[in-house]
Amino acid sequence: RKEVEQDPGPFNVPEGATVAFNCTYSNSASQSFFWYRQDCRKEPKLLMSVYSSGNEDGRFTAQLNRASQYISLLIRDSKLSDSATYLCVVNHPGGFKTIFGAGTRLFVKA
Amino acid sequence: ETGVTQTPRHLVMGMTNKKSLKCEQHLGHNAMYWYKQSAKKPLELMFVYSLEERVENNSVPSRFSPECPNSSHLFLHLHTLQPEDSALYLCASSQVLGGGDEKLFFGSGTQLSVL
Repeated sequence: RKEVEQDPGPFNVPEGATVAFNCTYSNSASQSFFWYRQDCRKEPKLLMSVYSSGNEDGRFTAQLNRASQYISLLIRDSKLSDSATYLCVVNHPGGFKTIFGAGTRLFVKA
Repeated sequence: ETGVTQTPRHLVMGMTNKKSLKCEQHLGHNAMYWYKQSAKKPLELMFVYSLEERVENNSVPSRFSPECPNSSHLFLHLHTLQPEDSALYLCASSQVLGGGDEKLFFGSGTQLSVL
């Protein structure tokens, strides 16, 4: 089983749609969780951290369920500029153990 | 000035060449990383330096040799590479505070092609 697994995608949605991505992780001792965004041929950039209480940043909402070892990202009112690959990222304990998922590709169409 | 700068952006090399990738971070971070990203695969951690000491080496072949002369600079020396080493090589930095909450800041990467 992969350490971090994501929906394979691609997701093709119209502008204005709501889209949700899921991610599961295998190490129950994982400490911290993030979503990164990677545009085509560019470097990954931190989108947001993920907390058990849930957190929101504008149109983006992230949620963590430690019991189920599950992370989600919800994007509301999708924009063309949201088209990218979204990477689920998990930090294991002990330092320097950052594990990336393979990413979920999103295409937002006019 | 961007936080993490990498050079070159693109590199084509033969299997017998020797080249180096350079990374510089301007964020005052205390850890630097090399990642490899192959097509349709997750980012793979190669090396980590914390306070200029190598703290992680994920069984990377010896044809890849990292160097961290100070907390702001990181190099990846390449020699006798194989075609399967063609990939995007990403440098990153973070501020390690001990809580496991490190956020990575990436450079724009070097797209490497080995012929």
